[in-house]
Order: sequence, then structure tokens, then C-alpha cells
Amino acid sequence: DADVTQTPRNRITKTGKRIMLECSQTKGHDRMYWYRQDPGLGLRLIYYSFDVKDINKGEISDGYSVSRQAQAKFSLSLESAIPNQTALYFCATSDLRGQGVDTQYFGPGTRLTVL
Amino acid sequence: GEDVEQSLFLSVREGDSSVINCTYTDSSSTYLYWYKQEPGAGLQLLTYIFSNMDMKQDQRLTVLLNKKDKHLSLRIADTQTGDSAIYFCAEGDTPLVFGKGTRLSVIA
Repeated sequence: DADVTQTPRNRITKTGKRIMLECSQTKGHDRMYWYRQDPGLGLRLIYYSFDVKDINKGEISDGYSVSRQAQAKFSLSLESAIPNQTALYFCATSDLRGQGVDTQYFGPGTRLTVL
Repeated sequence: GEDVEQSLFLSVREGDSSVINCTYTDSSSTYLYWYKQEPGAGLQLLTYIFSNMDMKQDQRLTVLLNKKDKHLSLRIADTQTGDSAIYFCAEGDTPLVFGKGTRLSVIA
């Protein structure tokens, strides 16, 4: 079974709809992240959480919100989707215990299309 | 702020060496990283280098770090078609800052 799972894997929605993307992990990591990937723009950080009570904005948080429901679950919401939020979204986890190397483990991605 | 720059594309012939370059801005990063993204998948950590090192070798992979110039490179020896992917350089001490990625195409 995959360590980091994302649901749904694909979603097509309309402008103005509220969308939730979900991420679950079985790695027991405290740290979780949401990124979006766009061609030519690489990977950009939306939000991150270092534990259940900690939420931090990333580079491009406007138009998004998150909820850390448990250590293993971190969801991303688009309150009112717009076409320029069409992208590939990745959830990732990490645990800095040990040598301090930030090894991030990525989910398979959710492809979101906003019409 | 932190910024990581990479060229977007690289094309090499199978069996040749590939060199992917990256420049970064955060000189305080403890580690610098290379992640690989295969088609249709998320990123996976490929290798990393401690900031006090100049070079790290891991089988076909060689990472070179020039701290003075803030330049990081990844060399893949004997490049194979299975190495075709997008390679991301990353810096920072959490959260990481990723470059835009270099798409490596290997021609048989």
C-alpha cells in the first residue's frame, strides 16, 4: 500500500465551486505539505504543517485553505475555484528526526481542472 | 527570498553523461537536494549533499557543490532511457524551496 495517498486523483469542476483535496499518510510523520505544480513554474508551496496544531502559509496560499484533522490527514480546500487554479497538486510528508535531512515523501498527485 | 534556478530542458544520448546544473541563493542551507519526478508520479528524493561537502558520489550519480558560487550540479554517468524524468534541485532547512525542474530526455 502507498505511504502517502491523495484523493481524488483527478477532478474536473466549475468556476465558483468549493473543492476539497484529501491527503492521508501512514508514515507516522509530523510534517505535511501541499504543493502545486504548473508547467514551467515547477513546484510551489501552498501550505505546510509541522504538527496537528501548526499551520503555515507557503508561497502561494491565496485562494486556498487547509485543515490538519489528525497527524495522518491534511486536506486542502479551494473555497471558490477559478480556472488559474488548474494544476497538479501534490501532498508530501517529512520527518526531520535523525540526521536532519528533509526527505520528503510525495503522494501520486491530484490533477484538478477548473472550467 | 530564497530562489533556485535551473535550465528547463536537457537532451542526451543513451550512454553519455548528463549534467544538470542549479544555482541557489540561501547560503545557510544545511543540505541541498536533488529530487526526481518520473512521468505520472510524485517526486522522490534522489540524493542530497551536506553543505560542508564538495562532492558526493552514489553509484552513477555525482553531486558537486560550489558554495562560493552557490552552484550545485548532478552528473549521471552512462545515462539510460530510464533516467528520463524531471530533476528538481532544492534548498532550505524546511520548508524546502524547489527549482522549476530540468526535464531530461534520453535519446536511444
